[in-house]
Amino acid sequence: SQQGEEDPQALSIQEGENATMNCSYKTSINNLQWYRQNSGRGLVHLILIRSNEREKHSGRLRVTLDTSKKSSSLLITASRAADTASYFCATVDRDDKIIFGKGTRLHILP
Amino acid sequence: GAVVSQHPSRVICKSGTSVKIECRSLDFQATTMFWYRQFPKKSLMLMATSNEGSKATYEQGVEKDKFLINHASLTLSTLTVTSAHPEDSSFYICSAHRLRVRGTEAFFGQGTRLTVV
Repeated sequence: SQQGEEDPQALSIQEGENATMNCSYKTSINNLQWYRQNSGRGLVHLILIRSNEREKHSGRLRVTLDTSKKSSSLLITASRAADTASYFCATVDRDDKIIFGKGTRLHILP
Repeated sequence: GAVVSQHPSRVICKSGTSVKIECRSLDFQATTMFWYRQFPKKSLMLMATSNEGSKATYEQGVEKDKFLINHASLTLSTLTVTSAHPEDSSFYICSAHRLRVRGTEAFFGQGTRLTVV
């Protein structure tokens, strides 16, 4: 079953702008991860944030986690055409099951 | 870094035949692997948890007799789609988890695109 809900489902922005994607979940988690998937390809792990962390950075990526609201956000700064992809949040429960959200399709316009 | 190899990457089969997909952890032992299915423009749906040396645990709504999972060793899990039909056409992805001191790391295969004609 799908746990996460990404918002928005699709996002088109101009190259150079920042892209923000949100994710909400329903149950307790050990950590939350964000993945990227180019069309028809496998998953690329982007970043992991643990349940006791509030914010994490990795290059142009910034992830926040609010466990009280059961939500997370992924910010991609200074977007590039190569950032065009689908982005999924995924929660990991105590049984190590990874449950994916519905995803956001990001399109960077030249 | 750790690598999970999934094979084949693409397969086309005739309706009624069975297809086996392999998922291997190349440089670590994985007691647990997971199988996901993804429809076009949709997210990944967890199908089952593959446990080394024991029966797989299937998610609700997934037919265990249709999707046979075998985890015969600590580095290999297989998913067999039996008596495949066109509606089984999908993208299948496996993941293997490696235990670390600070928790578990998940590594994903590159996926298998199954087309049933």
